[in-house]
Amino acid sequence: SQTIHQWPATLVQPVGSPLSLECTVEGTSNPNLYWYRQAAGRGLQLLFYSVGIGQISSEVPQNLSASRPQDRQFILSSKKLLLSDSGFYLCAWSVGQGYTDTQYFGPGTRLTVL
Amino acid sequence: AQSVTQPDIHITVSEGASLELRCNYSYGATPYLFWYVQSPGQGLQLLLKYFSGDTLVQGIKGFEAEFKRSQSSFNLRKPSVHWSDAAEYFCAVGAWSGGSNYKLTFGKGTLLTVNP
Repeated sequence: SQTIHQWPATLVQPVGSPLSLECTVEGTSNPNLYWYRQAAGRGLQLLFYSVGIGQISSEVPQNLSASRPQDRQFILSSKKLLLSDSGFYLCAWSVGQGYTDTQYFGPGTRLTVL
Repeated sequence: AQSVTQPDIHITVSEGASLELRCNYSYGATPYLFWYVQSPGQGLQLLLKYFSGDTLVQGIKGFEAEFKRSQSSFNLRKPSVHWSDAAEYFCAVGAWSGGSNYKLTFGKGTLLTVNP
C-alpha cells in the first residue's frame, strides 16, 4: 500500500531563516505531487505541483520554491522566511491522468515563523 | 475558473442527530467532486468522491453525498453523528485548469462540533 511521509511535524523558525520541508511517498511510482498551505479560515491553497522529476509548476507567486530531486521526493524551500509563511503545510500525491485523480494527503507540517 | 463555497463555517449537532454539510460549486463542465475530513493537527482523509454515474455516493464512516447538477451542489450527509465525527470537513472540485493541468479547488471548510 502507499504511504506518504512529511517531516518535520512541527517547526518554529525565526524570520529571515531558511526553510526545507520534505515529503516522500512510498509504494507507487511516478506520482503527481502537490504542496498546499492551510491558513486558519482560508481553506487549502495549492502552492506547487509536479508531474515528474524536475517538473514543477507554481500556482501562486510567493517566497517559497519547490524541487523534486527524486521520483517520490518533493521538497518545499525558502531562502528567507517571512511571518506570513506561517501555516500548516500539506503534501499530497496522486496517480493518473488528471480527471480521475484522487489526492491523498500527508500528515502535515506546522510551521511557525516568529 | 472553478470555485467551491461551503456556506457554514461552523455547525454544532448533538450525538445521534442527523447531519448535512452544504457545498456549492461553480464550474462550466462536468465536475469531479470530493469530500475530505481533517482531524485537528492531521492531514486530510478522503471520505468520498463523485466522478459520474449514480448521483448518490457512499463513502467511508457512514457518510454519503448527493450530486445535484441543477443546484450545483454536493451536500454531505450522515443519518446519525458520532462524537468521533467532530472534525473539519472540506469539499473540493477537480477540474482542468488550462491545457493538461488538473487541480483541486477546496472550499474553506466547515468545522463540526458534536455535543454529547
